[in-house]
Amino acid sequence: KAGVTQTPRYLIKTRGQQVTLSCSPISGHRSVSWYQQTPGQGLQFLFEYFSETQRNKGNFPGRFSGRQFSNSRSEMNVSTLELGDSALYLCASSLGWASSYEQYFGPGTRLTVT
Amino acid sequence: DAKTTQPNSMESNEEEPVHLPCNHSTISGTDYIHWYRQLPSQGPEYVIHGLTSNVNNRMASLAIAEDRKSSTLILHRATLRDAAVYYCILRDVLYNNNDMRFGAGTRLTVKP
Repeated sequence: KAGVTQTPRYLIKTRGQQVTLSCSPISGHRSVSWYQQTPGQGLQFLFEYFSETQRNKGNFPGRFSGRQFSNSRSEMNVSTLELGDSALYLCASSLGWASSYEQYFGPGTRLTVT
Repeated sequence: DAKTTQPNSMESNEEEPVHLPCNHSTISGTDYIHWYRQLPSQGPEYVIHGLTSNVNNRMASLAIAEDRKSSTLILHRATLRDAAVYYCILRDVLYNNNDMRFGAGTRLTVKP
C-alpha cells in the first residue's frame, strides 16, 4: 500500500506571497491532519479534516487554512507568508478520528520564506 | 492535557537493548500511551501504543507501570537505523481527535 505523499517536497517563497501544499493520504484513510515543525517550537498541530469537514484546529492565525476533498486528499494554504512560516509541514493520515488509531506521516514539505 | 516527561537524549550501543522512559504522572484513565519516532529528514513514524497492559509488536515493546504513571519503550536490539527522536504522547479516547501534542522527545544515538 502506498504511503502518505506530499507535494511539493521543497518550496521557496517570498514574504507576502501565498502557498498551497498538497497531501494524498493512504488509500482508505479518511482523516488528514497537518503539523508544522520548526527547530524552536517542535511539532505543532495545525488542523484536522475528516470527511471534508474540519474537526479540530490548532492555535495558528487565520492565514493558515485547509480543506479536504471527497477523495480524502487535502490541501493547506498559507497566505501573506512571513519569515517565521519557514518550516517543515507534515501531513498525517489515519483510518478515523478515534484517539486509538495510529497516524501515518508523509515526508513533509520544506517551506523556506525569504 | 496530561503531559509527558522524557530525557532529552540517550545513547546506546548497537545490538544492545534500549529502554526509553516516559513519565506521565497526571495520566487519566482514558489516556492511551502512544510512541512515535522521527528519523532524520523524515516524518514521524508510529512505533507502538497501549492502554494498560504491556504490548509487543515487530518494532518494539511497551512496558506500562501498574499505576500507569510511567512507561518504557523497549528496543530489544538497537541498530544504527534506530537513531531517531522518540516521542511519548498521551491521547485521550474521550476526545476522539488526531490532535497529537508532541513534546521535545528523546534523541537516541546508537553507537556502532
